[in-house]
Amino acid sequence: DTGVSQDPRHKITKRGQNVTFRCDPISEHNRLYWYRQTLGQGPEFLTYFQNEAQLEKSRLLSDRFSAERPKGSFSTLEIQRTEQGDSAMYLCASGGGAYNEQFFGPGTRLTVL
Amino acid sequence: QQPVQSPQAVILREGEDAVINCSSSKALYSVHWYRQKHGEAPVFLMILLKGGEQMRHEKISASFNEKKQQSSLYLTASQLSYSGTYFCGRADSWGKLQFGAGTQVVVTP
Repeated sequence: DTGVSQDPRHKITKRGQNVTFRCDPISEHNRLYWYRQTLGQGPEFLTYFQNEAQLEKSRLLSDRFSAERPKGSFSTLEIQRTEQGDSAMYLCASGGGAYNEQFFGPGTRLTVL
Repeated sequence: QQPVQSPQAVILREGEDAVINCSSSKALYSVHWYRQKHGEAPVFLMILLKGGEQMRHEKISASFNEKKQQSSLYLTASQLSYSGTYFCGRADSWGKLQFGAGTQVVVTP
């Protein structure tokens, strides 16, 4: 257990529906990252927060994706009008420490039918 | 461009050693190594800093060759628990990680 939690762990939805995922990072960490991982690939960066500020977004993040981190604590990732290509594992990583070690949560596996 | 890992896969018997390499065409500032078991999230092993010393995690160690822009992960006297996919991640100044495609390691009895 890394101390990073994600909810839900699994989500099955129909194409066109909206979904929202939550990440609770390690409380002392001020950096939070979202990654997406598909089968057989390494995680791909989506977006990054330092405290409540969203500092970078990947080109992978279309306008259907939005992320927030109110008050610099937990974060949410919303996908609107889901498509089958959105099916993946969505991972949250909590970053902190002297060298910004990143610890991943268990992930949310999204299946879009 | 993402880091390039080699080999893509390796099969070991318990007690054998293996080396996984991670090369980058872009400057490496720090390299993060993770192990991921099937159906689970990546687990942090260690971080290598530019100019830093070799690190260890149990019997797994890693080094950073700044000249070659390469990091190597050494699995020594492998155990069954070492099976999984190993990823290296190149960090930028924000700490954002760009991962390689992974090296699948299978340790057999």
